[in-house]
Amino acid sequence: QSVLTQPPSVSAAPGQKVTISCSGSSSNIGNNYVSWYQQLPGTAPKLLIYDNNKRPSGIPDRFSGSKSGTSATLGITGLQTGDEADYYCGTWDSSLSAEVFGGGTKLTVL
Amino acid sequence: EVQLVESGGGLVKPGGSLRLSCAASGFTFSNAWMSWVRQAPGKGLEWVGRIKSKTDGGTTDYAAPVKGRFTISRDDSKNTLYLQMNSLKTEDTAVYYCTTSVVTPAFDYWGQGTLVTVSS
Repeated sequence: QSVLTQPPSVSAAPGQKVTISCSGSSSNIGNNYVSWYQQLPGTAPKLLIYDNNKRPSGIPDRFSGSKSGTSATLGITGLQTGDEADYYCGTWDSSLSAEVFGGGTKLTVL
Repeated sequence: EVQLVESGGGLVKPGGSLRLSCAASGFTFSNAWMSWVRQAPGKGLEWVGRIKSKTDGGTTDYAAPVKGRFTISRDDSKNTLYLQMNSLKTEDTAVYYCTTSVVTPAFDYWGQGTLVTVSS
């Protein structure tokens, strides 16, 4: 059971928009920055979003992040088949003194 | 170019030990806080633990499932991170990644991972 809760799967058509939610508590999302990672099949995770809503160099602006209270959201617009992957949210949990991740969300681009 | 290369994975019996290494290059390793993250087959990401830079105290933090069994260490002269795993359990079977924060405060660089299989 993950500390952060994500939907197991989401799907949308090419060109459409999708959002992935990540729910936590005051000890993690509520008081710490959230990051988002993309993991393509058979590869290592890749950082998409850090500090709730910032994109590392090279990440297209189709990817966005937001945070409100104890929840965070990853948005992806202009979906492409290459976006099919598992997406994870992550943050520090001050009570556990540990980095915590969501259980992951599998994105299917229909 | 930043590179993280893990090694040392393999098959080990329950109760056994294994030491993983992560060779780093392309950044100032001695200044970096380094972490290990694992992923069991078909499962999500699980943080294992981290070690701070020596200038920040060089202390370690561990996830509850591995505390007391795993030890993270670093050799800044060799730009290498280690994960000593003792008293291994079948549930420790996973791909183990080393990761760090170089440009951003998050895990922006990852190794390719090394598979550890704990089975009799």
